[in-house]
Amino acid sequence: GQNIDQPTEMTATEGAIVQINCTYQTSGFNGLFWYQQHAGEAPTFLSYNVLDGLEEKGRFSSFLSRSKGYSYLLLKELQMKDSASYLCAVKDSNYQLIWGAGTKLIIKP
Amino acid sequence: SAVISQKPSRDICQRGTSLTIQCQVDSQVTMMFWYRQQPGQSLTLIATANQGSEATYESGFVIDKFPISRPNLTFSTLTVSNMSPEDSSIYLCSVVPGSTEAFFGQGTRLTVV
Repeated sequence: GQNIDQPTEMTATEGAIVQINCTYQTSGFNGLFWYQQHAGEAPTFLSYNVLDGLEEKGRFSSFLSRSKGYSYLLLKELQMKDSASYLCAVKDSNYQLIWGAGTKLIIKP
Repeated sequence: SAVISQKPSRDICQRGTSLTIQCQVDSQVTMMFWYRQQPGQSLTLIATANQGSEATYESGFVIDKFPISRPNLTFSTLTVSNMSPEDSSIYLCSVVPGSTEAFFGQGTRLTVV
């Protein structure tokens, strides 16, 4: 079966750095996505990785290793507004998105 | 990119009734996706709606309970039929206009009492 694992919840301090990991086992791979979702709102796109390596976009970076079935989202200089759920999703061989359960990130002052 | 207008944003419904959710996209897209997200959980795909053909439902979801219409390439509706409290959830429509990221409507927060 297809499976995406990510931690249920993480806590970090304002101004610090946090890394959210995602491991996946899917039938084929056509890209990995990270989304941010604030409570009561729709998910919003953060990053996309299809090749191995690090993609940097401001305070957020995303890393992919296809051979290990592994990705992480790195958030730097954490702000209170970064408190949200972070969803990892993989596009499989049928180009269907398979979603992880999400990681709830709590930022403390 | 794509902008999706989803209505209603929230509703409180009596059990046994039905609610139709609408999504309007600002561009033509081949497929539209309908998701359910229960409190504290991730997205569960209900069905994929294609214009001019029957929607494709995921395991655990049936057309009688969640009928879908897709009259053209910019619009779709999802009906939640004969509702029960277990149907209380957030319902989201989504499109993938290119080969990359998905875009979502604002979501419909449904409470069944």
